[in-house]
Amino acid sequence: NAGVTQTPKFQVLKTGQSMTLQCAQDMNHEYMSWYRQDPGMGLRLIHYSVGAGITDQGEVPNGYNVSRSTTEDFPLRLLSAAPSQTSVYFCASSKGGQLFFGPGTRLTVL
Amino acid sequence: GNSVTQMEGPVTLSEEAFLTINCTYTATGYPSLFWYVQYPGEGLQLLLKATKADDKGSNKGFEATYRKETTSFHLEKGSVQVSDSAVYFCALSSPNTGNQFYFGTGTSLTVIP
Repeated sequence: NAGVTQTPKFQVLKTGQSMTLQCAQDMNHEYMSWYRQDPGMGLRLIHYSVGAGITDQGEVPNGYNVSRSTTEDFPLRLLSAAPSQTSVYFCASSKGGQLFFGPGTRLTVL
Repeated sequence: GNSVTQMEGPVTLSEEAFLTINCTYTATGYPSLFWYVQYPGEGLQLLLKATKADDKGSNKGFEATYRKETTSFHLEKGSVQVSDSAVYFCALSSPNTGNQFYFGTGTSLTVIP
């Protein structure tokens, strides 16, 4: 099992550009989520999904879209990147009350 | 609502020193409590967990006891090693809020030889 995978590992964008952060898991977990990690603020939930076709907003959803067309994939879309979205992004899946994290994507918006 | 408060860092200790990282929580219902660890350049990994009051989670020499009366889940280790240098996150998950996870801000630990 690869677990939770994320691509890319690093990305630099210019303000106003759009992009998609990819996340996939091969553990057949129903629950998937996206977090951003910022210094002094811990992890904040952006969006989550409890199964294919179902998504919901977390604590900081503005500026991000998600979709869940399959159990395996949960991409995060930045519609128009802003410097405030410079962060490290983690995807996670969950089963049995435990979160499994991907390795993260470090995003810089200039 | 649900929230987690953990001790501010950074923490710097000498090898073999005793470690305590404080964590308190606010939650509705009966949450499960977790400690996650993030080594440099990596994602978070589960370190230990406890699912009910008075449970003790333990792993790799780390321990934490679920104290409902003080709403705490402090992380301890009797003798830290250089390899324990990492950021430690306290977290909770509550069935009352759809099993969403709530994280503390993280505590950075550096162990020096």
